[in-house]
Amino acid sequence: KNQVEQSPQSLIILEGKNCTLQCNYTVSPFSNLRWYKQDTGRGPVSLTIMTFSENTKSNGRYTATLDADTKQSSLHITASQLSDSASYICVVSDRGSTLGRLYFGRGTQLTVWP
Amino acid sequence: EADIYQTPRYLVIGTGKKITLECSQTMGHDKMYWYQQDPGMELHLIHYSYGVNSTEKGDLSSESTVSRIRTEHFPLTLESARPSHTSQYLCASRGGADTQYFGPGTRLTVL
Repeated sequence: KNQVEQSPQSLIILEGKNCTLQCNYTVSPFSNLRWYKQDTGRGPVSLTIMTFSENTKSNGRYTATLDADTKQSSLHITASQLSDSASYICVVSDRGSTLGRLYFGRGTQLTVWP
Repeated sequence: EADIYQTPRYLVIGTGKKITLECSQTMGHDKMYWYQQDPGMELHLIHYSYGVNSTEKGDLSSESTVSRIRTEHFPLTLESARPSHTSQYLCASRGGADTQYFGPGTRLTVL
């Protein structure tokens, strides 16, 4: 069964600290993996997209890693800011259909305190 | 910022009412999607469209219906709303870069 599991479910850190969010997936055949940021009451916004051959991709203070062998990804946030408080969702796409089926994790709710 | 819009942003209605949630995008994308998301839960696909006059049901069974008469417009309709329909509804479209762009969502509460 194709699944996407994220951990931790929620995380509280102090402003300026770093953190790492985890994503494990069982989706096959794998096409790509995306990390989205979803602010409360808003739609998700794409942060990074990684294909099978990519190990690391950065977007400002966000760095995503992908290990396609172990089917694990992480999102590292450096020097956190209050505006980083949001839900971070891992989304995996398969290659098995023309729809390009997306599998969503439940997200990690990150809260950054001053 | 993606050019995809949803209205209304918030809606509180009584049981039995008919409602239509609007979604429009100005990016010319053929593929559009409706997701349902409860607090703290993952997004569930309820409807999708490959283009004009194309609509399909998603993974999560839904009593809602959709239409795609124009490329830019993908409204979702509930003929008779019930409290179990209370949720957040997210519309998305997909471009050539294989990234889905999401609208801001409609938070629906049925009393």
